Amino acid sequence: GQQVMQIPQYQHVQEGEDFTTYCNSSTTLSNIQWYKQRPGGHPVFLIQLVKSGEVKKQKRLTFQFGEAKKNSSLHITATQTTDVGTYFCAEGGPFNKFYFGSGTKLNVKP
Amino acid sequence: DAGVIQSPRHEVTEMGQEVTLRCKPISGHNSLFWYRQTMMRGLELLIYFNNNVPIDDSGMPEDRFSAKMPNASFSTLKIQPSEPRDSAVYFCASITSDGSYGYTFGSGTRLTVV
Repeated sequence: GQQVMQIPQYQHVQEGEDFTTYCNSSTTLSNIQWYKQRPGGHPVFLIQLVKSGEVKKQKRLTFQFGEAKKNSSLHITATQTTDVGTYFCAEGGPFNKFYFGSGTKLNVKP
Repeated sequence: DAGVIQSPRHEVTEMGQEVTLRCKPISGHNSLFWYRQTMMRGLELLIYFNNNVPIDDSGMPEDRFSAKMPNASFSTLKIQPSEPRDSAVYFCASITSDGSYGYTFGSGTRLTVV
């Protein structure tokens, strides 16, 4: 199946710094979802993006879908230690089948 | 709703033994997915069901793996015989028909085959 490429693989930031993870595809995406997985936990749904150029915000998190629907990003403003975890993008397919990226592991130093 | 319920949370078994993982999806979710997560391969989709019918099992690694969904509230993933390379965290997830609220994952089963 199709696979989105996610970068970076790891990111270490100081608390208070911003963080961005990127998801890229060689083909046009129908939709994209973002998930967060805390260490030792399970993935938790954050948001779905469907429209070209869409921007959605959840408190300090900003999600964007590219104009060509081939890329997406998640930006966290002023990271906190509670933001620690792995962030996954997932490309939507038929029957709600989603293909997960490899994830970006975020570590926040207090 | 208690969410997606998986059992057991942890399973340690010897190579060659049969392992059965269980999942109860959220009531009203008509699609159920089994994923496997390892450090090396990330989150891999194994099989998924729509309205209890298996749609795509192309992700099932070998004939040693099988999955069933006898009714809307229960699914099993069986490995027989188990091998050390099957060690991973196995997640079950369910989703509504429009998918707009994303997967709800269970807490997972951490399987260790020794």
